[in-house]
Amino acid sequence: NAGVMQNPRHLVRRRGQEARLRCSPMKGHSHVYWYRQLPEEGLKFMVYLQKENIIDESGMPKERFSAEFPKEGPSILRIQQVVRGDSAAYFCASSQLQGLLSYGYTFGSGTRLTVV
Amino acid sequence: AQSVTQLDSQVPVFEEAPVELRCNYSSSVSVYLFWYVQYPNQGLQLLLKYLSGSTLVESINGFEAEFNKSQTSFHLRKPSVHISDTAEYFCAVSEKDKAYSGAGSYQLTFGKGTKLSVIP
Repeated sequence: NAGVMQNPRHLVRRRGQEARLRCSPMKGHSHVYWYRQLPEEGLKFMVYLQKENIIDESGMPKERFSAEFPKEGPSILRIQQVVRGDSAAYFCASSQLQGLLSYGYTFGSGTRLTVV
Repeated sequence: AQSVTQLDSQVPVFEEAPVELRCNYSSSVSVYLFWYVQYPNQGLQLLLKYLSGSTLVESINGFEAEFNKSQTSFHLRKPSVHISDTAEYFCAVSEKDKAYSGAGSYQLTFGKGTKLSVIP
């Protein structure tokens, strides 16, 4: 029973390119959450998705960032026209039902994005 | 708005010595509290949590944390650390949502993390 799988583990992009980060939730989990960890900062909530729906994107920057969780396949966090300030670790978590903090999230190992 | 402060970014400690990782939070409402651990090259794993009831909570690997409402703290302790405890530890808080369907039911606010290094 694989955990939350994120790929790639490391991603290097030049300024202006697009970054696509993938997250495959645990089997049976239909809720996905993306968090970002900037250097020397704690993880910050970005977006919460269910299959084919964005539930809460209050933590996502208004421009250049988008997220999706299609009916089939992994959740994708897409960053267009990346800038140096996008360099961070991006973590994905999943749960079987909404939130259920009493059970805690299951996080992936993260994608380290470096913009050069 | 909530915030979490982990004052120590790095804590070196000798093997078999006790350790305390500090966590303070600020919130205008009641909260749930969590400690997560991240071992090298792995994802975050839930270590322990406080939801309600007894203010002292324990994990299966010997860590414990005590919720102190008056001091708004949730410090993590272990009486005797092992090499395998070397990891980064994150304190997190969530707003206690009575309806269990709002943002407090899924949105976590994290501290910056404390890197625990256990020295042989």
